[in-house]
Amino acid sequence: DGGITQSPKYLFRKEGQNVTLSCEQNLNHDAMYWYRQDPGQGLRLIYYSQIVNDFQKGDIAEGYSVSREKKESFPLTVTSAQKNPTAFYLCASSMRQGLNQPQHFGDGTRLSIL
Amino acid sequence: QKEVEQNSGPLSVPEGAIASLNCTYSDRVSQSFFWYRQYSGKSPELIMSIYSNGDKEDGRFTAQLNKASQYVSLLIRDSQPSDSATYLCALPEGSGGGADGLTFGKGTHLIIQP
Repeated sequence: DGGITQSPKYLFRKEGQNVTLSCEQNLNHDAMYWYRQDPGQGLRLIYYSQIVNDFQKGDIAEGYSVSREKKESFPLTVTSAQKNPTAFYLCASSMRQGLNQPQHFGDGTRLSIL
Repeated sequence: QKEVEQNSGPLSVPEGAIASLNCTYSDRVSQSFFWYRQYSGKSPELIMSIYSNGDKEDGRFTAQLNKASQYVSLLIRDSQPSDSATYLCALPEGSGGGADGLTFGKGTHLIIQP
């Protein structure tokens, strides 16, 4: 089945540690996104990528890094510089060609600090 | 930066009644609007998109858009307990129709009372 797979479902980070969240899609979508959701809040855009080997910062990129080496994959690294990483992280994808393409989400990764 | 405003609720509606969810936005150039449903602990699921002024119906759901008033709403007819969730309103960042990511409201928590 086509979809977006995020792993792991739960992740714990120690102080000073970098952790990487995986996002893979088999929908042949060009664009991929990372959002962060805090309790009782909407989603906030961290990074997005419209094509391979290119990505752009979103509203809250500080303390995060991404790569887009393959169309199917868009991993997010939460670095030690992100002082408040506890949140629900959501990866999404959409067709880039044509306006107004909706985004579809993976099941998310919950990150907590040990 | 675009702003999307939603009443956080909770909005309590009797089973079988019409639930009305509202969203206002600050940007006059937005061309597309999306409604997502998010169950507790789960990722958002796209339920409606609307691009033109007026109404768009899909089953029990109707999206209404008024660009002059910068207002978009979602009506749920014959509300069911399974409709109890948080409903997120979203519109594209920038002018890229969504390719640059989406701006989300904080969501309205809807409770359908049996």
